Order: sequence, then C-alpha cells, then structure tokens
Amino acid sequence: DIQMTQSPSSLSASVGDRVTITCRASQDIHNYLAWYQQKPGKVPKLLISLSSTLQSGVSSRFSGSGSGTDFTLTISSLQPDDVATYYCQKYFHPPFTFGPGTKVDIK
Amino acid sequence: EVQVVESGGGLVQPGGSLRLSCVASGFRFSSAWMHWVRQAPGKGLVWVSRLNGDGSERHYEDSVKGRFTISRDNSKNTVYLQMNSLTAEDTALYYCVTETNWALGYWGQGVLVTVSS
Repeated sequence: DIQMTQSPSSLSASVGDRVTITCRASQDIHNYLAWYQQKPGKVPKLLISLSSTLQSGVSSRFSGSGSGTDFTLTISSLQPDDVATYYCQKYFHPPFTFGPGTKVDIK
Repeated sequence: EVQVVESGGGLVQPGGSLRLSCVASGFRFSSAWMHWVRQAPGKGLVWVSRLNGDGSERHYEDSVKGRFTISRDNSKNTVYLQMNSLTAEDTALYYCVTETNWALGYWGQGVLVTVSS
C-alpha cells in the first residue's frame, strides 16, 4: 500500500506568516491528493481536492500544489482562525490513506 | 443542504458487535460513494471503508477486513457499518462521509464507539 507522510508534524508561526506543509506519497499518486482542516474538537473540513482545487467557501489564503509524490499546502498569511491540524489524503485507489497530520498553532 | 447523521455508537465488550447507521440527505444518495472514517481519541484520521452507489463495490482498510461490512439501503438514504469481533483498537469516533470531487466532501458529526470490558 502507498504510505503518506507529512512534515513537519507541528509548527508554530506568527500571525501573517506564510506557512507551508509538505505531504509525500511513497508512490506516484498523480494529482489525487486532498487536504483537510480539523479544528480542535470539530469535524474535519475539506479544503482542497485534486492537489490544487480550492473548495467553494474556503479562504483564498489556502492553496495546494504538487503532483506525483510531493505536495504542499500553503497558508499565505496565517490567521488565528487557522489554528488546526491539517491532513493530506491520497485519493488514488483504495485504501484512501491519510497522512499523520500537521498541527499548526500561533506563536 | 447536505446533511449526514450517524447513529448506533456506544459501549461494547471486546469481541462484541455493533452496527452503525448513517442517514444522508440533500444530494443524490443512490449515486454517491459513501465512506466511513474513524479517529481514535487524540489520534489522526483513519480511512475505514467505502461503498459505491448501488452497493456492488466496496473497499476496506486492512485492519478491518473480514470484521467490518459496509452496506446501504438507498430506499432509506442510509449506509451501515457492521462491526464484528471488536477490540480496544477499534475505539474511536466514526465519521460517515460522502465522496465529492475526488475527496471526502461532507462529514457527519461522528458517533463514538468504545470497546471496553
């Protein structure tokens, strides 16, 4: 099975900072990669599908890129409301494995 | 508006069984792939299972194969997860989720399953 890794596992940044989270697949998954945001105590929310397609209603501060095995989620200007754990997920043939998550908080 | 509501969770002894239900509305249910995702307390998301619209194609995560069965009743807009031979490692919040745009688009609030003696 294809394994998903994320880095870093956690980060602390200042309001307004540009934040980048990396997700790596152990094999080529083309662009079948989704990103989710889970705020503390809340249900996960889909941010981005197919590596870079921003979902309706999601802030344009979020962007995704990548293909093959390497992907990134970028928050262009970190806001207090962005405090959450972010997960990537492969959507290229089951099992649809999630990455271990990246916890983002405010410095 | 899409709504996804799970039920059926609770406390069960090791080796026991439980059936989760998920009622969904606000979209063409009979055409939608439906998924179950779980999250153990304080841990990350784990994809569990997936079922296509007519119930003919299903997939499972390795640790639940042979123990869990996903099914659906399109006349009731409901998807089920039958869980047998439960262990403490199955303790988690179980989310029912719809597949949209090559991702998991709409999530229920989750239902808690606790396996303990």
